[in-house]
Amino acid sequence: QGQLVQSGAQVKKPGASVEVSCKASGYTFTSYYIHWVRQAPGQGLEWMGIINPRGGGTSYTQKFQGRVTMTGDTSTSTVYMELSSLRSEDTAVYYCVYAHSGSYFLEVWGQGTTVTVSS
Amino acid sequence: QSALTQPASVSGSPGQSITISCTGTSSDVGRYNYVSWYQQHPGKAPKLIIYDVNNRPSGVSHRFSGSKSGNTASLTISGLQAEDEADYHCSSYTSGSTRYVFGSGTKVIVL
Repeated sequence: QGQLVQSGAQVKKPGASVEVSCKASGYTFTSYYIHWVRQAPGQGLEWMGIINPRGGGTSYTQKFQGRVTMTGDTSTSTVYMELSSLRSEDTAVYYCVYAHSGSYFLEVWGQGTTVTVSS
Repeated sequence: QSALTQPASVSGSPGQSITISCTGTSSDVGRYNYVSWYQQHPGKAPKLIIYDVNNRPSGVSHRFSGSKSGNTASLTISGLQAEDEADYHCSSYTSGSTRYVFGSGTKVIVL
């Protein structure tokens, strides 16, 4: 089973952007999609979008379209999620998760990255 | 507000069985057999325990089982153990730009 290791916690001011990285190991990077899911404090999970590392195709939920960008680097087996125009409601733990291209479940989760938006 | 409805908490004594419900709509739970369940201990990342309604990944205890009827999916934990105390999240594939919807999570309390 593979592993996803995410970058560390960040504190950002409202209006700024944040980039979270997610490095994959232990599996064929281009054979699995990477999803991004976030969890606000004391809240449930929220799906943000998906990237296919093979080719870089993405799909974002409408809520984040225009504010989120997901990219991948096959040379380092790393994907990135950038969220712009941050507001306090974006304070959350952000998870990357891999899933086989033919599956409909989120298989292996990264450890999570806490993003705090505060003035 | 979460798309899928789960009870806030469910409790049981060690050895008992409990069931957590997850109610969606005909656009998600009722339409697709792609319901999954995730276990999350405090401060930890979620872990997949059930996929495609009633399948367990390798290494997940047989005490966890899933089912679905209409727009409602269920997770049953049999032989409840102290280590089962955690939050449980259901999820369903759905049509549209939001491919996956989640419930608000259910806290399982082992008495």
